[in-house]
Amino acid sequence: DAKTTQPPSMDCAEGRAANLPCNHSTISGNEYVYWYRQIHSQGPQYIIHGLKNNETNEMASLIITEDRKSSTLILPHATLRDTAVYYCIVKKKGAQKLVFGQGTRLTINP
Amino acid sequence: DTEVTQTPKHLVMGMTNKKSLKCEQHMGHRAMYWYKQKAKKPPELMFVYSYEKLSINESVPSRFSPECPNSSLLNLHLHALQPEDSALYLCASSLETVNTEAFFGQGTRLTVV
Repeated sequence: DAKTTQPPSMDCAEGRAANLPCNHSTISGNEYVYWYRQIHSQGPQYIIHGLKNNETNEMASLIITEDRKSSTLILPHATLRDTAVYYCIVKKKGAQKLVFGQGTRLTINP
Repeated sequence: DTEVTQTPKHLVMGMTNKKSLKCEQHMGHRAMYWYKQKAKKPPELMFVYSYEKLSINESVPSRFSPECPNSSLLNLHLHALQPEDSALYLCASSLETVNTEAFFGQGTRLTVV
């Protein structure tokens, strides 16, 4: 599976959009981009995933560049409860493993 | 019911003890996973079960012994652990291993003394 690179930490003001980048320059055509988050002392939580088109659900939006070498997770109106470690994961469809990288520690400030 | 339930939430055990961690889901998922997470590190995959059969063992020491007695239950048997095995142990499940919308439990925080 392709390696991902994320900034170790980010800050965002409450009520603003939080934009979390992920670089996956070695991604191949059959690999999906997944995002999970882990709030302190809880298990990871699935957020969203995509292949090449932008995706949106009730939690977030995922923007994948046309060359698929990077993506951005957008939390449109961040709240204090969005403070967590956010993991960007690249995975082949059909692969059994879900492998976590170092993630981005996002802090939402009041 | 979209929950993965892990028991116990906390466990302290001696290096000569035998204990078990339990994980349960009632979502009809056929893939179940064990992860280990050290403080301030990402979760590390330990085992994958698919249709109650062990499909991946990430070279985990034999003092950790997984068991999947049925499609809803996953156990992790612990024996002769070391203090460095102290960590948060996370269980997860997904519809099948090919589907990576995985649901995680809250974990068991294990301390080996």
